[in-house]
Amino acid sequence: EPEVTQTPSHQVTQMGQEVILRCVPISNHLYFYWYRQILGQKVEFLVSFYNNEISEKSEIFDDQFSVERPDGSNFTLKIRSTKLEDSAMYFCASSEVPQLSGNTIYFGEGSWLTVV
Amino acid sequence: SQKIEQNSEALNIQEGKTATLTCNYTNYSPAYLQWYRQDPGRGPVFLLLIRENEKEKRKERLKVTFDTTLKQSLFHITASQPADSATYLCALGGNSGYALNFGKGTSLLVTP
Repeated sequence: EPEVTQTPSHQVTQMGQEVILRCVPISNHLYFYWYRQILGQKVEFLVSFYNNEISEKSEIFDDQFSVERPDGSNFTLKIRSTKLEDSAMYFCASSEVPQLSGNTIYFGEGSWLTVV
Repeated sequence: SQKIEQNSEALNIQEGKTATLTCNYTNYSPAYLQWYRQDPGRGPVFLLLIRENEKEKRKERLKVTFDTTLKQSLFHITASQPADSATYLCALGGNSGYALNFGKGTSLLVTP
C-alpha cells in the first residue's frame, strides 16, 4: 500500500540552528500538509500546500517556518532558527483531493525533532 | 474558543467486550468528524468519517455516532481484541478549511 515517507525519523539540533524535515507524499497526491504533536499533547495543524502555494496555515506557522516542494516528489518543512518549544513530532500528510468535507488524508510516521 | 474533549483517562477493557470512546466539542459546528488510531511513536491512521447530516456509520467492528445537538461523537469497537490497544483520536473539520482539529485522544488497553 502506498505510504507517506518522512526523513529523518529523529533529529537532535541545537537551539538557533536551521532544520529541514523531508517528506515524500503518496505519488498521485496533490495536497500536502504538515502537522505537529508536542509530547503528550494533541496533533496540531501547521500548514496545507497545493499547486506550489500555501493554501492555509495556522497561528503556529509563523515566519520561522517555511514549506517547499523542491521537485516532483519531495515536500519539505524548514524551521529557520529552532527554539526549545519546537521540540515535537512533525507529521507530513498528503491527500489526492483536498482535505475538505472530510476527504481522507494519509499521515507519515513522523520526524521526531529534539531541540537542545 | 473551540474545544475538543476526549476521555483523558485510559480505558481498560477485557477482550471481547465493546469499547466506547467519547468525543465532545464546544464552540464549534463541524461539517464532519473523523476518528483515527495512533500507535506509540507512529502517525495517525484514518478509521472512519461521519458527516454532520449522518447519525451513524459502521465499518466492520467499528461504529461511530454523531449527535450535533449534544455536540458529541461516540466511537465503538465491538468484540475488542488486544490488537485494538492504541490511542484513538477524534478530529473535526469544516467545509471551508483544510485544517483538522484533533482532540488529545483516549488510550485504549484491551487485555486478554
